Amino acid sequence: SQQGEEDPQALSIQEGENATMNCSYKTSINNLQWYRQNSGRGLVHLILIRSNEREKHSGRLRVTLDTSKKSSSLLITASRAADTASYFCATSGNQFYFGTGTSLTVIP
Amino acid sequence: KAGVTQTPRYLIKTRGQQVTLSCSPISGHRSVSWYQQTPGQGLQFLFEYFSETQRNKGNFPGRFSGRQFSNSRSEMNVSTLELGDSALYLCASSAITDRVGYTFGSGTRLTVV
Repeated sequence: SQQGEEDPQALSIQEGENATMNCSYKTSINNLQWYRQNSGRGLVHLILIRSNEREKHSGRLRVTLDTSKKSSSLLITASRAADTASYFCATSGNQFYFGTGTSLTVIP
Repeated sequence: KAGVTQTPRYLIKTRGQQVTLSCSPISGHRSVSWYQQTPGQGLQFLFEYFSETQRNKGNFPGRFSGRQFSNSRSEMNVSTLELGDSALYLCASSAITDRVGYTFGSGTRLTVV
């Protein structure tokens, strides 16, 4: 079965608001990565957080990792219409698994 | 530098036929992985190759096979196509094998009719 599950499945916000997506996983991991996918295209790597890290920032992105709860969150601050896409978490342990994705719509 | 190149971009095949998809990784990348993406199942891992060796295989039937060449280019083959094989097939490459920072291609959209 898939390793990661994102929540919510779909999110719609106004431009300028913050967007938070959550990811839960099942087994121990080496690292957790977040990817973005525009409709029908390949995935773009956003950020990686290692299992011994708790928080990481990259531009408007903030990722947290709680290994005790086996969960991670991705926060996009000051969202823009161009952030509209699907966002996936991916966990790397013995294999590499993607979550089910959160579809984010940012309304201008 | 050039990204991950997948060919063809779109493909329509008839049920029962076979298909071969190609992936050229970023120059210098030796790890290539394949994923199937469908609306119902999301992204499902197919295989992972490193230096011409299959390192991992997902839970797909034997109709799905792959290989990697000495130049790191990879192909995947699906025989006896079924309607349910219609999907976006994504290839990802990485310089190393600890699955850090994959670069994905734009995918091959396969439609089986």
